[in-house]
Amino acid sequence: SYVLTQPPSVSVAPGQTARITCGGNNIGSKSVHWYQQKPGQAPVLVVYDDSDRPSGIPERFSGSNSGNTATLTISRVEAGDEADYYCQVWDSSSDHLVVFGGGTKLTVL
Amino acid sequence: QVQLQESGPGLVKPSQTLSLTCTVSGGSISSGDYYWSWIRQPPGKGLEWIGYIYYSGSTYYNPSLKSRVTISVDTSKNQFSLKLSSVTAADTAVYYCARVEITFGGVISLWGQGTLVTVSS
Repeated sequence: SYVLTQPPSVSVAPGQTARITCGGNNIGSKSVHWYQQKPGQAPVLVVYDDSDRPSGIPERFSGSNSGNTATLTISRVEAGDEADYYCQVWDSSSDHLVVFGGGTKLTVL
Repeated sequence: QVQLQESGPGLVKPSQTLSLTCTVSGGSISSGDYYWSWIRQPPGKGLEWIGYIYYSGSTYYNPSLKSRVTISVDTSKNQFSLKLSSVTAADTAVYYCARVEITFGGVISLWGQGTLVTVSS
């Protein structure tokens, strides 16, 4: 099965840039989606198809995907960005699998 | 706008079957653009995909749960359901129903609020 690997935690000071990685075998050939989850809430989509933003998501959230690593970048980090972040891909071949990364806890110092 | 709402017992005894239903409001479950999915999250842990169903009834399951999972759809009620058999404490989790977009690389564009199911005697 396909495995996505995320760092358990990332820490950043307010106003700085946070980068959260998602590693997978040839992940650059897949569409990667990113979700933000705050305590007690359902996940919220922040980036889809590697680098597109849903309406209502600030431009501070961006994504990239190449080779074996996808990256979610949060610029000018704010206290309200503190949350868990999950990457996700979809294998729509015969197996039809939805795969999540293990999640990264973003701490704003 | 379209909303998803989970319903079902919050407490299930070990070895019994967990049953949940997701009601789709504000849109039709029979749209060909989506798979209707169940995802769970044990307390303090990450997200785990359980499986999904197309409105026609085609189902796909996580191999790690496949032997215990059944997902069904009732288009007349605009609902889809989850049954997970032979539950143990490891199945204690928040269960989310969700919508997977076929034409956008499988993005999960809509989530229910989630419902906590505890497996305990």
